[in-house]
Amino acid sequence: AQSVTQPDIHITVSEGASLELRCNYSYGATPYLFWYVQSPGQGLQLLLKYFSGDTLVQGIKGFEAEFKRSQSSFNLRKPSVHWSDAAEYFCAVGAGTGTASKLTFGTGTRLQVML
Amino acid sequence: GAVVSQHPSWVICKSGTSVKIECRSLDFQATTMFWYRQFPKQSLMLMATSNEGSKATYEQGVEKDKFLINHASLTLSTLTVTSAHPEDSSFYICSASFGGRYLNEQFFGPGTRLTVL
Repeated sequence: AQSVTQPDIHITVSEGASLELRCNYSYGATPYLFWYVQSPGQGLQLLLKYFSGDTLVQGIKGFEAEFKRSQSSFNLRKPSVHWSDAAEYFCAVGAGTGTASKLTFGTGTRLQVML
Repeated sequence: GAVVSQHPSWVICKSGTSVKIECRSLDFQATTMFWYRQFPKQSLMLMATSNEGSKATYEQGVEKDKFLINHASLTLSTLTVTSAHPEDSSFYICSASFGGRYLNEQFFGPGTRLTVL
């Protein structure tokens, strides 16, 4: 069975500082990897995804993530954090193919941004 | 495109009553819909997967008689929490997927906050 680990429960950064959120996955086949952001009381918004090809993927809001198969990692980065980035971030791995792919989520990382 | 809505956005009910939550794909036909549950400050846990016209597939540990899922059409799935109790209070999120260029992706609704008194 697949699993996702987000080692950092809570991260605080200053506005304008760089950000890296860690994600490690366990899956026997080629993974489909996702990063989602969730504001309080809201649903999930997709930031970016990796299916295949270039291991550095660009997403919305200036986020990027790099897939490293050797490290089973898919860390999320942003060069300069904005106060509006404060939210909960979830990494997820998709199992199977097609429309019935199940997602397994990590426990999330709460990002706090200091002004 | 790929918008998923949920109704209601929040609901408060008395213990012992049943509550129905709707999940709609507004601008596409969803081959598969998923229902998740999220406790405060925790991750999303998949409850069940449903395909239009067939019975839902429940994850281990999820009571199918308590959480009734109906996927009546390609744009609508409903989750009914039967005989709700305070421990069923949670944030319920649905998602939908379809093929084409969005194969393997899920699009999430805004969630429904259920509070059982």
